[in-house]
Amino acid sequence: QVQLQESGPGLVKPSETLSLTCTVSGGSISGYYWSWIRQPPGKGLEWIGYVYYSGTTNSNPSLKSRVTVSLDTSKNQFSLKLNSVTAADTAVYYCARSVTRAVYFDYWGQGTLVTVSS
Amino acid sequence: AIQMTQSPSSLSASVGDRVTITCRASQDIRNDLYWYQQKPGEAPKVLIYDVSSLQTGVPSRFSGSASGTDFTLTISRLQPEDFAAYYCLQDHIYPPTFGQGTKVEIK
Repeated sequence: QVQLQESGPGLVKPSETLSLTCTVSGGSISGYYWSWIRQPPGKGLEWIGYVYYSGTTNSNPSLKSRVTVSLDTSKNQFSLKLNSVTAADTAVYYCARSVTRAVYFDYWGQGTLVTVSS
Repeated sequence: AIQMTQSPSSLSASVGDRVTITCRASQDIRNDLYWYQQKPGEAPKVLIYDVSSLQTGVPSRFSGSASGTDFTLTISRLQPEDFAAYYCLQDHIYPPTFGQGTKVEIK
């Protein structure tokens, strides 16, 4: 059974960089899209970006150039970096896998709350 | 970016009711429309893809349809486990965009 698990600091200071890792177990990184999605407390969902197993990436232009999504196939992990964070970046961050299309998600992590506060 | 306007934002219904949720796209998205269900404290789960195709394992009381740029999720007979939030999502035009969500609550 494929499992995804987010990890990283739960508290980040304003203007700093949010860094999260998603560890994939029970399956390979190869052949899939690996995405990040976030949800501010009590609000809706926002697609952040993905990295394809080949290394191709794509991200939401609403986040401008603050986002980096990357892959570490040797560790079966992928990562998110979001720089210059503000309180508006406070959210539950989910990692997810998709197969045929980038947002047709079949497996998700449980989500991790990241709070931006000094 | 394409705007997905979802309505209502919340509704109260009883077990056995028929429930309809709508998403209107700001432009043509063809059939590139998903519906996700999210229960409190959980990650979302896909119910429907390509407007009306039921994800494996999803009960047949869930169905999807479209009329132009209006998309509808219907739950034919609401069950206790269906009380959740529902989101539409389009990926026809980059970037993918979600609707604002509909919270289905117990009346």
